Amino acid sequence: ETGVTQSPTHLIKTRGQQVTLRCSSQSGHNTVSWYQQALGQGPQFIFQYYREEENGRGNFPPRFSGLQFPNYSSELNVNALELDDSALYLCASSLGTHLNTEAFFGQGTRLTVV
Amino acid sequence: DAKTTQPPSMDCAEGRAANLPCNHSTISGNEYVYWYRQIHSQGPQYIIHGLKNNETNEMASLIITEDRKSSTLILPHATLRDTAVYYCIVRVEGGTSYGKLTFGQGTILTVHP
Repeated sequence: ETGVTQSPTHLIKTRGQQVTLRCSSQSGHNTVSWYQQALGQGPQFIFQYYREEENGRGNFPPRFSGLQFPNYSSELNVNALELDDSALYLCASSLGTHLNTEAFFGQGTRLTVV
Repeated sequence: DAKTTQPPSMDCAEGRAANLPCNHSTISGNEYVYWYRQIHSQGPQYIIHGLKNNETNEMASLIITEDRKSSTLILPHATLRDTAVYYCIVRVEGGTSYGKLTFGQGTILTVHP
């Protein structure tokens, strides 16, 4: 149990729709990162938020966006869903962005786009 | 980011030590080596990390070679619950990396009875 919770656990959407995934960070953690994990692959970094500001982004298009709230909970929004967006979406929280810190992952949201 | 190379799969007998190797020959002096594992259908779980000294915690030991170009994760007494994908990650900070974790394909460790 990492103290990081994600909702919903499973979701089915239609191509072209929009989706919002939610993450509640571990208490006291001010940094959240989001990852996409396709079937059979390792997680891929989408972006990171630190104190409500995006401060790092992976190779994902602008239709992937996020928010971090004052209580450090977070959302991942994906617009214009494509079939290839089907994946496990993971959030991870940590204290700060510096090295020598652990990131704690949630159980993920399984998104299926049909 | 420094790249890591891991064997795609390994087997281990229950109760024996599992030694998982990782090559990171292009690692820089300020980059840490992290190990995570992912049990089926769960989020990755932090195991251990280190810079240049060997590290040990309640889960595992991390042995880093003196030149830091490779490391070994040791699970001293593997159990069936240790069956998982194990990821060796070199964590980068600065530039556009912002401390992100770059996962490779990992090693699938199967612990047999």
